[in-house]
Amino acid sequence: DTGVSQDPRHKITKRGQNVTFRCDPISEHNRLYWYRQTLGQGPEFLTYFQNEAQLEKSRLLSDRFSAERPKGSFSTLEIQRTEQGDSAMYLCASSPTGGAGANVLTFGAGSRLTVL
Amino acid sequence: AQSVSQHNHHVILSEAASLELGCNYSYGGTVNLFWYVQYPGQHLQLLLKYFSGDPLVKGIKGFEAEFIKSKFSFNLRKPSVQWSDTAEYFCAVNLGGDMRFGAGTRLTVKP
Repeated sequence: DTGVSQDPRHKITKRGQNVTFRCDPISEHNRLYWYRQTLGQGPEFLTYFQNEAQLEKSRLLSDRFSAERPKGSFSTLEIQRTEQGDSAMYLCASSPTGGAGANVLTFGAGSRLTVL
Repeated sequence: AQSVSQHNHHVILSEAASLELGCNYSYGGTVNLFWYVQYPGQHLQLLLKYFSGDPLVKGIKGFEAEFIKSKFSFNLRKPSVQWSDTAEYFCAVNLGGDMRFGAGTRLTVKP
């Protein structure tokens, strides 16, 4: 297993366009998290899944953002009608719920979004 | 509101100086506590964690942290920093799966 993979690593788009990011977690991890990080700030929680169930979604997340994890494996994060304020690094992380690594998040490299 | 607070935005130290980074959280109940580190150009990675038991936990690279329940604090320490410790440090709290991070402290160690 090569860790948490995110694709694309960098996306440049024009304001108003839709973008989709994909995350492939570590295969045995049943929790998957999405965060947003801007320069000089900590990761801001967006949402998380346990298997295919979306357990929590940040109230800060506008309805332009949607995330899915249809089969409890990979996840997608879609941003509709992008705005310049959406420019950030979008981080995915996964964790097991049991065992020695329970609740320890492993992060991917992130997908950097630039909205022009 | 539930929050994780890191007191220092940017800390600059000389090599061999001692380090303490503050972290306070406002969640009630049982929490799991973490420090993550992000070296320049790299992923966030786990430095250490506290789940239960001894409130003084040791992590990688000589770092340790002390959980003080009465103060809702989980401060990070290192007796003698090295230039290679230059990075951003994030405190995090996990409350039943919901994982929240502080704003981070940037540490610059001068050689």
